[in-house]
Amino acid sequence: AQSVTQLDSQVPVFEEAPVELRCNYSSSVSVYLFWYVQYPNQGLQLLLKYLSGSTLVKGINGFEAEFNKSQTSFHLRKPSVHISDTAEYFCAVIESGGSYIPTFGRGTSLIVHP
Amino acid sequence: NAGVTQTPKFQVLKTGQSMTLQCAQDMNHNSMYWYRQDPGMGLRLIYYSASEGTTDKGEVPNGYNVSRLNKREFSLRLESAAPSQTSVYFCASSEDRVDTQYFGPGTRLTVL
Repeated sequence: AQSVTQLDSQVPVFEEAPVELRCNYSSSVSVYLFWYVQYPNQGLQLLLKYLSGSTLVKGINGFEAEFNKSQTSFHLRKPSVHISDTAEYFCAVIESGGSYIPTFGRGTSLIVHP
Repeated sequence: NAGVTQTPKFQVLKTGQSMTLQCAQDMNHNSMYWYRQDPGMGLRLIYYSASEGTTDKGEVPNGYNVSRLNKREFSLRLESAAPSQTSVYFCASSEDRVDTQYFGPGTRLTVL
């Protein structure tokens, strides 16, 4: 069965610094991968997704992620963060060929300091 | 387009009371989902509906029931609320099961 691990519950960073939010998954079959962002008191919205093709995926707001099959990872990166990037970030995985039920990680709180 | 709407936004219940959370989407999506979000636990799937007329249990279905009323609407019912059901509930929809999910704004439920 699939599982998702977000290794850091909280990541503090200064404005304009680069950031990486880590996501590892466990699955024996092909997967589809997603990153969602949740701003305070709002629902989640999609940042980017990997379904197939190029392993480097670009999303909204300057974020990108790279699918690494051998390391079963899908880390999220941004070269220069802004105060407005302060939010909760969730990695999600869907296994192919099964019930297609999405599994979410526990989330990483990105805190951008001025 | 309103996207995914949820009512109510806030609710306080006493233990044992019942209530129904409503969700509607105007994107003609086939799949709909109910999640609960608790601090440090991420989102956990309660029930989902892959298509109109079908519903299936997710990770944490106990204490809940759902109805896919039509393609637009997917309701979640708590028959006898318990304090452990205090949470923020999110409804989501997607065009198909392997696709972007669109989330509603959430319902913050407190059970005393």
